[in-house]
Amino acid sequence: QKEVEQNSGPLSVPEGAIASLNCTYSDRVSQSFFWYRQYSGKSPELIMSIYSNGDKEDGRFTAQLNKASQYVSLLIRDSQPSDSATYLCAVNKGTGFQKLVFGTGTRLLVSP
Amino acid sequence: EPEVTQTPSHQVTQMGQEVILRCVPISNHLYFYWYRQILGQKVEFLVSFYNNEISEKSEIFDDQFSVERPDGSNFTLKIRSTKLEDSAMYFCASKRDTYNSPLHFGNGTRLTVT
Repeated sequence: QKEVEQNSGPLSVPEGAIASLNCTYSDRVSQSFFWYRQYSGKSPELIMSIYSNGDKEDGRFTAQLNKASQYVSLLIRDSQPSDSATYLCAVNKGTGFQKLVFGTGTRLLVSP
Repeated sequence: EPEVTQTPSHQVTQMGQEVILRCVPISNHLYFYWYRQILGQKVEFLVSFYNNEISEKSEIFDDQFSVERPDGSNFTLKIRSTKLEDSAMYFCASKRDTYNSPLHFGNGTRLTVT
């Protein structure tokens, strides 16, 4: 079982729609979760972080965490063509100094 | 906003040569990392560094790799004898001292081994 799993996509949505990106993780002791956006050839850019069960909203983005189901999601409302990118789910793993383990990413395409 | 700076942005080297990738982490950060991403693949952890020593390393980080923080600001990744399969984007990242603080990534160095 992969440590962090994401559907590679592409996920295609029309402009203005809600994009829903999902991620599951295998390590129950993981405590913090992050969504990064990565444009082609660029570095990962932090979008959201979430640490507690439930929803966390920041502008057009909402992160959802369900630790019992080991499931994290990202909703993007009012999707824009500029949101077209690969979205990486990352899970903070281990004790001590921790490291982020990334999923393979979901490619999102927002069509005008 | 403070950022992680990496140089060079692109490095081309011949197989068997040594390369040094350089990074300047955010100044008040204490934890430093190198990740790599082979084209079309996921971002993979290489090594973490704290208090002037390696705290964790992956299976990828074998004896050909080393890291150093020589002067309190730079953080370097050295590959002693490059292989074709070392061709990838290498990202430096840093974070503050809190457990839940996120990683901040540099823009990356694209390493091409010919």
